[in-house]
Amino acid sequence: KAGVTQTPRYLIKTRGQQVTLSCSPISGHRSVSWYQQTPGQGLQFLFEYFSETQRNKGNFPGRFSGRQFSNSRSEMNVSTLELGDSALYLCASRTGTGSYEQYFGPGTRLTVT
Amino acid sequence: KQEVTQIPAALSVPEGENLVLNCSFTDSAIYNLQWFRQDPGKGLTSLLLIQSSQREQTSGRLNASLDKSSGRSTLYIAASQPGDSATYLCAVRTPTWDPSGNTGKLIFGQGTTLQVKP
Repeated sequence: KAGVTQTPRYLIKTRGQQVTLSCSPISGHRSVSWYQQTPGQGLQFLFEYFSETQRNKGNFPGRFSGRQFSNSRSEMNVSTLELGDSALYLCASRTGTGSYEQYFGPGTRLTVT
Repeated sequence: KQEVTQIPAALSVPEGENLVLNCSFTDSAIYNLQWFRQDPGKGLTSLLLIQSSQREQTSGRLNASLDKSSGRSTLYIAASQPGDSATYLCAVRTPTWDPSGNTGKLIFGQGTTLQVKP
């Protein structure tokens, strides 16, 4: 069974631009979560989607948004990029029921210049 | 507010040694606890998941324990190998009994970076 996939793997953007990251969960998984990882703050929860509905949200500004499609694929959008948005963005999926074990993708490395 | 702490931040051991990584959390009301491994620049690999009602889980050379009342978990690695070198992260999932549909979230520690020397 294929794992969680994320595209693109690397991105370089300029301050003020916007960016969209994509995540395809493991087949059969209905829940997708997004996390930001930086050296200073570590791993921080952004939001979680289940069956196209946002179920939980972390403490990030409104510039960070997401959505989930009917096939469970998810996208995350960051508008008006700031230097501090440079990070590894990780997507994780789980079935949505049962043990709540999460499986992570390889991440998208975003660099804002 | 739930906080997760991992000590030590870094650890270096010779190959073959048994070792213990520590994780502590401030609020004992958790749904489960999950240990992950992260190689440099890569995503997270799930190692072990312990439900709040369980005391330990084992997978190969790895054994994770959970003491919810004291807010502690340990990851025991037996007979360490150079291939075990990575950052190990523990994360707790907050409770999920929110009637609004909130399914909780994972709160991570800062990780322990392990180096196993040949």
